[in-house]
Amino acid sequence: EAGVVQSPRYKIIEKKQPVAFWCNPISGHNTLYWYRQNLGQGPELLIRYENEEAVDDSQLPKDRFSAERLKGVDSTLKIQPAELGDSAVYLCASSPTGLAGGETQYFGPGTRLLVL
Amino acid sequence: AQKVTQAQTEISVVEKEDVTLDCVYETRDTTYYLFWYKQPPSGELVFLIRRNSFDEQNEISGRYSWNFQKSTSSFNFTITASQVVDSAVYFCALTTGANSKLTFGKGITLSVRP
Repeated sequence: EAGVVQSPRYKIIEKKQPVAFWCNPISGHNTLYWYRQNLGQGPELLIRYENEEAVDDSQLPKDRFSAERLKGVDSTLKIQPAELGDSAVYLCASSPTGLAGGETQYFGPGTRLLVL
Repeated sequence: AQKVTQAQTEISVVEKEDVTLDCVYETRDTTYYLFWYKQPPSGELVFLIRRNSFDEQNEISGRYSWNFQKSTSSFNFTITASQVVDSAVYFCALTTGANSKLTFGKGITLSVRP
């Protein structure tokens, strides 16, 4: 069974440029998560989707970050414009339903973003 | 609020040594779930184990074992006879029954030298 797929794996951009990350969750998983991992830290949740609905986006900096999951499968996370402090690893994860809480989340390889 | 503390930041051992990674958690919920993930240099978080708050039974999987103690709010991870391939960053994480947000510790960098 294929795991969570993310692209690109690496991205280098100039500050103020836009950038987008793509995630394809494990087949059949309804819940999708985006996390950001700063250097030397654990991941922190940005947004959680149940199918197409964003059910927890309280940690998403909405002035420059946006996300979508139009058909309840793939998701895109966008930053516009990027700032130096956005340099981090952006991880996507999925779990079967997310309804009961405590489900195991399976992570993709992440996208390493460097903003110059 | 929930919190995970991994007080050890870096551990270095020689191959075949046993090593224990500590994890202390805080939550007010009575239903919660604890996890350990491994992050090798490739960057992907690899799931190792999930434990719920009602099951304090220790678990062993090959060279890996976990000790869950509610009395001390700890969920420690021991690698027996460590190998070079065990070198990675290890994260302990917590979520409650009320939501699916994982709260991670800062991670422990384990280096196993030949």
